[in-house]
Amino acid sequence: KQEVTQIPAALSVPEGENLVLNCSFTDSAIYNLQWFRQDPGKGLTSLLLIQSSQREQTSGRLNASLDKSSGRSTLYIAASQPGDSATYLCAVDTGTASKLTFGTGTRLQVTL
Amino acid sequence: DGGITQSPKYLFRKEGQNVTLSCEQNLNHDAMYWYRQDPGQGLRLIYYSQIVNDFQKGDIAEGYSVSREKKESFPLTVTSAQKNPTAFYLCASSISAGGSPLHFGNGTRLTVT
Repeated sequence: KQEVTQIPAALSVPEGENLVLNCSFTDSAIYNLQWFRQDPGKGLTSLLLIQSSQREQTSGRLNASLDKSSGRSTLYIAASQPGDSATYLCAVDTGTASKLTFGTGTRLQVTL
Repeated sequence: DGGITQSPKYLFRKEGQNVTLSCEQNLNHDAMYWYRQDPGQGLRLIYYSQIVNDFQKGDIAEGYSVSREKKESFPLTVTSAQKNPTAFYLCASSISAGGSPLHFGNGTRLTVT
């Protein structure tokens, strides 16, 4: 059974700092990996999707990498801003009807 | 603007009552999903539907029921058989089942007392 772990559970950084969020999964037979952002009391917003054949994806200040063989993905946020404060979740797709397995998230706070 | 609408945002019910959560999408997506989110846990899949008039159980389907009579609608009923119904419920959709990005609604917070 696929298990997804995100460490740390919470992170506080000062504005402007570059940071890395980690995601690990137990079964490397994945179709893709997705990173989401969730603001308090809201739904999830898709940030990046990395196909299993890709090594990384970039969108603005965000860069996500994927190492399938080691079961790891990282989300790199450059020059963090207070507006980046949210919970970040990763999810792996085994390709069966997009049934995603989610991690429990990393709660990020960017302070002034 | 295209998107997913969940209603209501907050729902309160007495124990023993069935309640239906609404999910409507105008993205013309074939696949729709219901997830449950509890504090400290990852999202867990309740039911999913790949096409109209077809749906499958997810990991925690007991005590829930769904229907998919229209492409744009996927309502979830929380029955009195669900032992711990208080949670945040999220509806999602994707263009097709398998490998497509998921788009989420803003959720319904259900409280059962």
